Amino acid sequence: QVQLVQSGAEVKKPGASVKVSCKASGYTFTGYYMHWVRQAPGQGLEWMGRINPNSGGTNYAQKFQGRVTMTRDTSISTAYMELSRLRSDDTAVYYCARASTAMVQDYWGQGTLVTVSS
Amino acid sequence: DIQLTQSPSFLSASVGDRVTITCRASQGISSYLAWYQQKPGKAPKLLIYAASTLQSGVPSRFSGSGSGTEFTLTISSLQPEDFATYYCQQLNSYPCTFGQGTRLEIK
Repeated sequence: QVQLVQSGAEVKKPGASVKVSCKASGYTFTGYYMHWVRQAPGQGLEWMGRINPNSGGTNYAQKFQGRVTMTRDTSISTAYMELSRLRSDDTAVYYCARASTAMVQDYWGQGTLVTVSS
Repeated sequence: DIQLTQSPSFLSASVGDRVTITCRASQGISSYLAWYQQKPGKAPKLLIYAASTLQSGVPSRFSGSGSGTEFTLTISSLQPEDFATYYCQQLNSYPCTFGQGTRLEIK
């Protein structure tokens, strides 16, 4: 069965960087795009970008351009999302989500809480 | 960026009711629209994609319709497990924006 298992919660200071991992299993990792979506406390969903695990090609939301980097390691079927120059309003749960052939996010990780606080 | 506006933002209904949530796009997105359900503390769950295609395993009381700029999600007979927050998402162009959400609560 398809599973996406994310790394654990993080606490970071403003200005620092965080790197969240997402380990995939149960399907061919390189066959499906991986999206990243975040959700601030009590707020809605915000799409951050996606990566093609086969080529490494990425598409980022303009809002995060220059601060976000999505990468992957195909040898261990793991995708990564790194966000730099963290601010307090980056406090959120970060989700990875596999994209189906219809491009929708059909399987989601459990989420990783990133707290940015001085 | 394409903006999605959901209405209502909050909905109170009873078990057995039929409810409809609307999602309006700021420009045409053909049928590139998905609906998700999210319960507190959980990841979103895909319900419908391509505006009207039911995701495998999703009960048939959920249905979607629309194209262009106006879309609806209908739950034909509310069950206790349906009380949650619902989001639409457009996949026509980047960024793949979400609506602000509709919180469905028990009356």
